[in-house]
Amino acid sequence: AQKVTQAQTEISVVEKEDVTLDCVYETRDTTYYLFWYKQPPSGELVFLIRRNSFDEQNEISGRYSWNFQKSTSSFNFTITASQVVDSAVYFCALSVGSGGGADGLTFGKGTHLIIQP
Amino acid sequence: EAGVAQSPRYKIIEKRQSVAFWCNPISGHATLYWYQQILGQGPKLLIQFQNNGVVDDSQLPKDRFSAERLKGVDSTLKIQPAKLEDSAVYLCASSLGRWETQYFGPGTRLLVL
Repeated sequence: AQKVTQAQTEISVVEKEDVTLDCVYETRDTTYYLFWYKQPPSGELVFLIRRNSFDEQNEISGRYSWNFQKSTSSFNFTITASQVVDSAVYFCALSVGSGGGADGLTFGKGTHLIIQP
Repeated sequence: EAGVAQSPRYKIIEKRQSVAFWCNPISGHATLYWYQQILGQGPKLLIQFQNNGVVDDSQLPKDRFSAERLKGVDSTLKIQPAKLEDSAVYLCASSLGRWETQYFGPGTRLLVL
């Protein structure tokens, strides 16, 4: 069975600070995908990034960066120079491969990020 | 490109009543998913379709929940009869295929009184 743990329930920082959201996953499958989604107060889940299990390269997109480490089963997300618009609930999710394709997502409980002006 | 559409956006019903939700995926997306998100938790997969066939419904409470995807496009999720614990947001997502990224609709917020 798959599991995603986001130990930080809520994080509050002041605008312009850097912040890292932690994600630890568990799976016995060798082929899997990791995701981050953002859920603003409006409720819609917004896709941020997808990473497959064979690609451990870190990725940077503007103020966002992701650190994938298979050795520690972690896929952490860092926001640099945070802004008030970054306030949302962030979910880490895992999808594993099975016959013919990947399964549905297993989500963590989410981290509520509050950016104070 | 239009996103995933869902309706209604909000629904309030009494327990033991029935309710149905509708989802229209992104055009051309073969895979469709229904998730249940209870307040304060991450979404939980209920059912996954590939075209009009069911791939995974292991977490769908089949005594009261049903879903179909006729013609491999739109999908409906039904609850009959509803219980108080069914109060949640029901999210529909779609992807080009089973290896592709899932994109989510705005959700239907259900309150069972």
